[in-house]
Amino acid sequence: EVQLVESGGGLVQPGGSLRLSCAASGFTFSSFSMNWVRLAPGKGLEWVSYISSSSTTIHYADSVKGRFTISRDNAKYSLYLQMNSLRDEDTAVYYCARGYDSSDPPSQFDYWGQGTLVTVSS
Amino acid sequence: SYVLTQPPSVSVAPGQTARITCGGNNIGSKSVHWYQQKPGQAPVLVVYDDNYRPSGIPERFSGSNSGNTATLTISRVEAGDEADYYCQVWDSSSDHWVFGGGTKLTVL
Repeated sequence: EVQLVESGGGLVQPGGSLRLSCAASGFTFSSFSMNWVRLAPGKGLEWVSYISSSSTTIHYADSVKGRFTISRDNAKYSLYLQMNSLRDEDTAVYYCARGYDSSDPPSQFDYWGQGTLVTVSS
Repeated sequence: SYVLTQPPSVSVAPGQTARITCGGNNIGSKSVHWYQQKPGQAPVLVVYDDNYRPSGIPERFSGSNSGNTATLTISRVEAGDEADYYCQVWDSSSDHWVFGGGTKLTVL
């Protein structure tokens, strides 16, 4: 059974940093692209970042480029999101989501984690 | 950047057909994916590549895509279909995934 479990969320002050993790199981992690998606209170889904299966291709939403860094450790079946210079508007539930395969262009998100809440507030 | 436009809300009586639209410039040339999200839950893929259903998704869910509009159709709507629905495309000009603003489906 495919499972994605996020962790690392919490309360952080504006300007602070946080590192999210996503632990994957039930599939060959190194064969799939991965994404981070967020849902802010009262808003819709917003794609945050994409990483290909071998980390050779990485993309970011304009709203986080230069502040967030996506990475993965295929040996540890883990996906990460390093978030720096956090702003109030980064407050959201952050989901990791698996790409259906590792094709180019990227494919739909077929499995999602349950999310981890990040709150940016003083 | 590429923009997807969805109606904020759609209401339908049980047993009727709900149609949720997703507008975008020449969206018919792109592959459109649809997600269902219920409160407090993770999104679920319900239609991919315009009109394909993942395993486990009822046949009541279908999709179409042509010109400037993609449509998610839910036939014989049930109370359990009440949720937010999002369309999604890959914008190759910006190398960005794009979501529509979401549509809240209310079952009357």
